[in-house]
Amino acid sequence: GDSVTQMEGPVTLSEEAFLTINCTYTATGYPSLFWYVQYPGEGLQLLLKATKADDKGSNKGFEATYRKETTSFHLEKGSVQVSDSAVYFCALLDDKIIFGKGTRLHILP
Amino acid sequence: EAGVTQFPSHSVIEKGQTVTLRCDPISGHDNLYWYRRVMGKEIKFLLHFVKESKQDESGMPNNRFLAERTGGTYSTLKVQPAELEDSGVYFCASSPNQGSLSYEQYFGPGTRLTVT
Repeated sequence: GDSVTQMEGPVTLSEEAFLTINCTYTATGYPSLFWYVQYPGEGLQLLLKATKADDKGSNKGFEATYRKETTSFHLEKGSVQVSDSAVYFCALLDDKIIFGKGTRLHILP
Repeated sequence: EAGVTQFPSHSVIEKGQTVTLRCDPISGHDNLYWYRRVMGKEIKFLLHFVKESKQDESGMPNNRFLAERTGGTYSTLKVQPAELEDSGVYFCASSPNQGSLSYEQYFGPGTRLTVT
């Protein structure tokens, strides 16, 4: 069945560092891809999405490009802030949403 | 506009007891979903309501879990009797579109269930 694999955490970076969180997927069709974020004490929020190959989703300085050839949707940000500390979930939508395990990100001031 | 709310935020019960989780979706949202994240694992889909009808309950783990959405507003998820492996965070989400699954789902903060 469909699945999502993302890098294990926690990831700890200093403020202003470059961030990459890897995500790959397995799907029989052509799913839409998402990154969700959960800040401490809050619910899951949709961070960005891409619905077809080569689409780039972006929001709050984060970007991810739908790469069909490598079945990947890596999350990147050029300069992280302490406020980016959260758990990030990669997900796909085929007939239902399938999530990865989540990656906890700690940003040190 | 109020978001999706869930109650309680945290519940600690003993094995064999019953627990009922509640989800209040965003007003007017026909679609309501339940998900669960067991410690260290993926968030997994449990079921999907469209109004008061169960559209898809393929993710429900076993018959100890019962979800209802009487009147098509709030939903409850009852676990009876609870087992240790039921511990985890239970998320609820809602979306406004009728019919098929929409990716624009709005999530609640989750209920952390601990079974001892």
